[in-house]
Amino acid sequence: NAGVTQTPKFRILKIGQSMTLQCAQDMNHNYMYWYRQDPGMGLKLIYYSVGAGITDKGEVPNGYNVSRSTTEDFPLRLELAAPSQTSVYFCASSQYLEGAYGYTFGSGTRLTVV
Amino acid sequence: AQSVTQLDSHVSVSEGTPVLLRCNYSSSYSPSLFWYVQHPNKGLQLLLKYTSAATLVKGINGFEAEFKKSETSFHLTKPSAHMSDAAEYFCVVSDYPLGGSQGNLIFGKGTKLSVKP
Repeated sequence: NAGVTQTPKFRILKIGQSMTLQCAQDMNHNYMYWYRQDPGMGLKLIYYSVGAGITDKGEVPNGYNVSRSTTEDFPLRLELAAPSQTSVYFCASSQYLEGAYGYTFGSGTRLTVV
Repeated sequence: AQSVTQLDSHVSVSEGTPVLLRCNYSSSYSPSLFWYVQHPNKGLQLLLKYTSAATLVKGINGFEAEFKKSETSFHLTKPSAHMSDAAEYFCVVSDYPLGGSQGNLIFGKGTKLSVKP
């Protein structure tokens, strides 16, 4: 029972580099989310998706892009990495959009931009 | 707009003593409320959830929370702390009513629980 799988677990990027954070779920959930977690700030929503081919911005989308070509995968793209994007990134999925039944989270990707 | 406030950034208890982690929320609707736990270098795990059924909600690992509408609170409690409870705890509110067209979880800033032997 894999749940939500995120790769890589850790990454160091130089300013201006790009990378893709991978997220895959095997629960056939329609809804997927990307959050970033900064110390003492809780989690902030970056982007979310309500199904294959449909994505929308969350609270802090600047500097990121997403795509959702399949139900299972929801990658997050950083095009020009900046130090402000140093954070821990969590992908999540849910069966119901409004989250009333909770989300399943991945174990996170710790990204450092230097 | 919905919001959630965790009243303590850090709580320290001794093993075997009760745990109280405080959370207040504001919501224009009947909210869905959650507590998540995050152990060091791990993802978030759902502890318990309130979705307008019983006001006293029991979760995993002996935790429970009581929804008090008059006080807009959803405090997390456990009668006896265990060393393995040391983690960060997040109180979360769902920002749209059931059946709404969008869904998002509003996270509190977290409470770090330390458990002393």
